[in-house]
Amino acid sequence: EVQLVQSGTEVKKPGESLKMSCKGFGYSFTSHWIGWVRQMPGKGLEWMGIIYPGDSETRYSPSFQGQVIISADKSISTAYLQWSNLKASDTAIYYCARFAGGTTVVSNWFDPWGQGTLVTVSS
Amino acid sequence: SYELTQPPSVSVSPGQTARITCSGDALPKQYAHWYQQKPGQAPVMVIYKDTERPSGIPERFSGSSSGTTVTLTISGVQAEDEADYYCQSVDTSGSYPHVLFGGGTKLTVL
Repeated sequence: EVQLVQSGTEVKKPGESLKMSCKGFGYSFTSHWIGWVRQMPGKGLEWMGIIYPGDSETRYSPSFQGQVIISADKSISTAYLQWSNLKASDTAIYYCARFAGGTTVVSNWFDPWGQGTLVTVSS
Repeated sequence: SYELTQPPSVSVSPGQTARITCSGDALPKQYAHWYQQKPGQAPVMVIYKDTERPSGIPERFSGSSSGTTVTLTISGVQAEDEADYYCQSVDTSGSYPHVLFGGGTKLTVL
């Protein structure tokens, strides 16, 4: 079974750093893009970026470029999303998902999704 | 860049047919995909490449495409179908492809 398992709930203070993880099981981790998606409280889905673990090629949404870093360690089938200076506005659920359909991206879809990581940033 | 536009809400009675639309200028050239998200749960893909239904998704879910609009149809709606639904596509107008989501549609089963 293809599965993505994310790290647990985080409670942070403004200005702190954070690195969350997403581990893939049941498929060739290096052969599929992985994407990150933000969902703020009561809001819709926002694409943050994608990474191809095979060569770590990364593409960011303009809205998140420079705000987060997406990385991957293919040796342990794990992708990461990290911040160096959290803000209260980063409070959200963050999902990783396999970006399936091919290496060219243009026709791809997200399946499956991780269970989500809740991040609360509050002083 | 362009946007994907969905109605904020759709309401139907059990057993009726629900149609959720997603409009975007590039949809005649790009595939759209649909996700179902129930409260407190991660999204689940229900339709990919406009019309394809993955295994495990009930046959009452179907997708169609016409011009700049794609439609998710749920035939014989059941109470368990009450959820938020999102469309997704890829914008290729920039220097590299960007993923887009529609704003989401809340399906209420009356």
